[in-house]
Amino acid sequence: GESVGLHLPTLSVQEGDNSIINCAYSNSASDYFIWYKQESGKGPQFIIDIRSNMDKRQGQRVTVLLNKTVKHLSLQIAATQPGDSAVYFCAETLAAAGNKLTFGGGTRVLVKP
Amino acid sequence: EPEVTQTPSHQVTQMGQEVILRCVPISNHLYFYWYRQILGQKVEFLVSFYNNEISEKSEIFDDQFSVERPDGSNFTLKIRSTKLEDSAMYFCASSEWGADQPQHFGDGTRLSIL
Repeated sequence: GESVGLHLPTLSVQEGDNSIINCAYSNSASDYFIWYKQESGKGPQFIIDIRSNMDKRQGQRVTVLLNKTVKHLSLQIAATQPGDSAVYFCAETLAAAGNKLTFGGGTRVLVKP
Repeated sequence: EPEVTQTPSHQVTQMGQEVILRCVPISNHLYFYWYRQILGQKVEFLVSFYNNEISEKSEIFDDQFSVERPDGSNFTLKIRSTKLEDSAMYFCASSEWGADQPQHFGDGTRLSIL
């Protein structure tokens, strides 16, 4: 289940620091967005979601920001831990299009102890 | 925590053979999906399924592909005559409702076509 892309952007973070992962989405009509985490050999794991009528949403140690003007999504992880090492994907969807998710290319996060 | 389960974890098949990938979605979920991820590429949507019908399908989901919910718990993806380019990770997902609901994924089936 890994996304072993040779060209996968990598974010290297010191344990305890905050991480910011960015994503540019493609469809200005998309109305729902999700961040997923994918560890090696596993499927995408839901982290947090946000609807298009919001610009910020907070979860446990994670915050998602949505900027519809520039079609940009970000995921902030507070106090990054070794278990946060994974590939992170943003996904967008439009309810009128059968709820199909369109995934971004992913960012690999490496947490250094 | 309830989860989506997929079997087998790895399937090796000769080109031209039929293959069936199996999924057990989360029990109270009503919407079901298949995605695939070719090595080194993005996760791609294949098909969505609700109320025993296909809701949406992608260009990838051609006549060689079909989906079925044969009973109250299983959701299957069949590829009738496999091609080398069908080699990929296939993920099943389900959601409680359709719009504005997170899709929860299984750990996938790695399909290898020889």
